[in-house]
Amino acid sequence: QSALTQPPSVSGSPGQSVTMSCTGTSSDVGAYDRVSWYQQPPGTAPKLIIYNVNDRPSGVPDRFSGSKSGNTASLTISGLQAEDEAHYYCSSYVTTNTVLFGGGTKLTVL
Amino acid sequence: EVQLVESGGGLVQPGRSLRLSCVASGFTFDDSDMSWVRQAPGKGLEWVAFIRNKIYDKTTEYAAPVKGRFTISRDDSKNITYLHMNSLKTEDTAVYYCTKGVTVVRGLVLYYHYYSMDVWGKGTTVTVSS
Repeated sequence: QSALTQPPSVSGSPGQSVTMSCTGTSSDVGAYDRVSWYQQPPGTAPKLIIYNVNDRPSGVPDRFSGSKSGNTASLTISGLQAEDEAHYYCSSYVTTNTVLFGGGTKLTVL
Repeated sequence: EVQLVESGGGLVQPGRSLRLSCVASGFTFDDSDMSWVRQAPGKGLEWVAFIRNKIYDKTTEYAAPVKGRFTISRDDSKNITYLHMNSLKTEDTAVYYCTKGVTVVRGLVLYYHYYSMDVWGKGTTVTVSS
């Protein structure tokens, strides 16, 4: 099964908002509200920032929000900060009872 | 402190086997769903396998590239998750992360979102090369 589709890179200036997409199919993103987002700064392990499309784990700032429409999920980061620079990966539960990740998006804070 | 510590990685020849271990601490291990996720050098994340908790009979699932070659297991008495890897290929070269599935408590009910991972270890590196 092919990975979910994410843009290779996005960028924004401090204080701005950025949105990145994650496109799948009716067998994964479109089938359930089970999309997650992970943040991975260079040289570190990933960190869960969104699960079930728009739920935030304890400790994750509300600057991070998620949404979904059809087969495409989105992550929005508002009030961009320098520390947000990282790779971001989406994932989705799949009808085959497996998990699929996206290829990742590199966020650059200008 | 909630923690996952992986071990067992190393350099191995194609076709050989390796067993990874992941020791958990700081949370109720036997109530938790566990997964392995890998990341090839310079590449993105790839889910490998999960094992449910005992309430769900420790059922397992695998990604297509490893199905039939890898086996995930757990020892709840020792708080350890294992990944047995057989018939290793060069494309299995990666950092392997041990992860814990999300569990949400609402009132008296536990919700298991095993497809989302909220605790990650630092990873152990597996290099398959002749």
